[in-house]
Amino acid sequence: NAGVMQNPRHLVRRRGQEARLRCSPMKGHSHVYWYRQLPEEGLKFMVYLQKENIIDESGMPKERFSAEFPKEGPSILRIQQVVRGDSAAYFCASSATGGRLAEAFFGQGTRLTVV
Amino acid sequence: QKEVEQNSGPLSVPEGAIASLNCTYSDRGSQSFFWYRQYSGKSPELIMSIYSNGDKEDGRFTAQLNKASQYVSLLIRDSQPSDSATYLCAVRAGTYKYIFGTGTRLKVLA
Repeated sequence: NAGVMQNPRHLVRRRGQEARLRCSPMKGHSHVYWYRQLPEEGLKFMVYLQKENIIDESGMPKERFSAEFPKEGPSILRIQQVVRGDSAAYFCASSATGGRLAEAFFGQGTRLTVV
Repeated sequence: QKEVEQNSGPLSVPEGAIASLNCTYSDRGSQSFFWYRQYSGKSPELIMSIYSNGDKEDGRFTAQLNKASQYVSLLIRDSQPSDSATYLCAVRAGTYKYIFGTGTRLKVLA
């Protein structure tokens, strides 16, 4: 039973390019959460999506960042015109439901480096 | 005030001792509480979830929840060097996103 799959594991982009991070949730999971983590810091919530819906995007910058979770295919976190400050580890988690008892499981993360 | 607060540590305990990790949260409406373990350079791994006041035990781990005091803790019995990691407390409320503390770094000394 495959866990949460993220790709790529490592991504290098030049300033001004676009970064696309993909997350395939665990089988049977329809809720996806994206987090950003800087070295020696905690996980910062970015966005919470259910299939075809954004439930909460309060942690995602309004400019340059967007996320989607289409009916078919993985969830995508898109960062346009990347800057050095976007360099971080981006983690995706998924849960089976959005209910109170739901447990979230994390993927291995994408390490984004902006040069 | 941060939504979820943890002492960053490091918390150092000798091998075989009990490690006690603490977490407080600000939202009284929080309903679900989780502990994750994260090794350096790796992704967070779910250890325990707790939803009701009291204790919940799973092997060497015990989670304790006190909603009145807005406090959740994790006890690790018979600590091993392999337990050395950062422990993240997470709380779920509102739209049911998971809000994480900054983590407590645990060092178990052999």
